[in-house]
Amino acid sequence: SQKIEQNSEALNIQEGKTATLTCNYTNYSPAYLQWYRQDPGRGPVFLLLIRENEKEKRKERLKVTFDTTLKQSLFHITASQPADSATYLCALSLRNTGFQKLVFGTGTRLLVSP
Amino acid sequence: GAVVSQHPSRVICKSGTSVKIECRSLDFQATTMFWYRQFPKKSLMLMATSNEGSKATYEQGVEKDKFLINHASLTLSTLTVTSAHPEDSSFYICSGVRGRSTDTQYFGPGTRLTVL
Repeated sequence: SQKIEQNSEALNIQEGKTATLTCNYTNYSPAYLQWYRQDPGRGPVFLLLIRENEKEKRKERLKVTFDTTLKQSLFHITASQPADSATYLCALSLRNTGFQKLVFGTGTRLLVSP
Repeated sequence: GAVVSQHPSRVICKSGTSVKIECRSLDFQATTMFWYRQFPKKSLMLMATSNEGSKATYEQGVEKDKFLINHASLTLSTLTVTSAHPEDSSFYICSGVRGRSTDTQYFGPGTRLTVL
């Protein structure tokens, strides 16, 4: 069966450390993989997109890797801040839908303590 | 740029009534909009894809007669939950794709529906 798995347990880290979140998928062949941030009671906010032929993408303190062999993406936040506390969702853009449809993981909650 | 709004942000209604939720792209034209539903501590589940000027495409298991979607213009899509029941209580979120770009969806802030 098709699955997108993110760690359901909250990740607690100290301010200044690097947070690493994992997204694993099975029985999908995504063209793109995207990461979103969602705050409680709010819609997701787009962070980064990485294509299947890209290994790594960076944006300011954020870094995403994409390993299509392992079927895994890692999302890193360096020099984390309490304001980074939120739920982070990975989403796959499906090839057979014109890349438009997104399938979301359940998200991982990140808590950054001062 | 790429701001999407939703109205209302919260709505409480009685069982059996209908509720309309609006989704607007404020600073771009959204040829395609999507409607999602999210239950507590669960993932976003796609309900339907809405293209301007044509009928929406619903995901398997989503009742098209219950969740009416209209995408009358490039900046407005509406979702009407007809004859709402308590099990329809959820967080409804829309998103828009800017122009012909298929890469990124821009999400609205969501609408919390509570059916009593």
